Amino acid sequence: QQQVKQSPQSLIVQKGGISIINCAYENTAFDYFPWYQQFPGKGPALLIAIRPDVSEKKEGRFTISFNKSAKQFSLHIMDSQPGDSATYFCAASTGPGAGSYQLTFGKGTKLSVIP
Amino acid sequence: DAGVIQSPRHEVTEMGQEVTLRCKPISGHNSLFWYRQTMMRGLELLIYFNNNVPIDDSGMPEDRFSAKMPNASFSTLKIQPSEPRDSAVYFCASTRTWVGDNYGYTFGSGTRLTVV
Repeated sequence: QQQVKQSPQSLIVQKGGISIINCAYENTAFDYFPWYQQFPGKGPALLIAIRPDVSEKKEGRFTISFNKSAKQFSLHIMDSQPGDSATYFCAASTGPGAGSYQLTFGKGTKLSVIP
Repeated sequence: DAGVIQSPRHEVTEMGQEVTLRCKPISGHNSLFWYRQTMMRGLELLIYFNNNVPIDDSGMPEDRFSAKMPNASFSTLKIQPSEPRDSAVYFCASTRTWVGDNYGYTFGSGTRLTVV
């Protein structure tokens, strides 16, 4: 599988602060980049996604920033709340077509937001 | 919509025993994926099906693992014989043909397998 490298492995942020998680990829054929959020005992759930034709996508307090030339993308969580404490996974896919719905996941970042 | 349903939620078995994990995808979803999650390796794709046909099983660790999808509403992942290193959380996920900009998998709640 093509790799997606995610950092940091863990992150502690004060309530109200900004959480930033970074991912880098190698396969230039990737054209879809989702982020997933996973709470303990649950499966990952789609949080937000971006395509490489835009540099930024915002949904509420969550923003994806995308740098195509650097092959990097990041998740920013503004005004982080204790309820955001979870493990976050970035992922990448080559998009639609036979055999290409396969998502390659990063290793995950465990976010802890402390009051 | 009941979501992706996996059973059992927890499974404890002895080394050498056969283990069968089950998954019911969301109705109308035509792709199904089996993932294994461990602290060391994160989420690993084991196998995925499209329209009930296995497309890529290169992630299946060895011949002890097998997966089937006899129809659009059911899939199994079998480990025979099981080994302690198979202990992990196994997730099933499903999706439909992707359109638009916000699509992705729907994961089940997982089966936590412990092999002693």
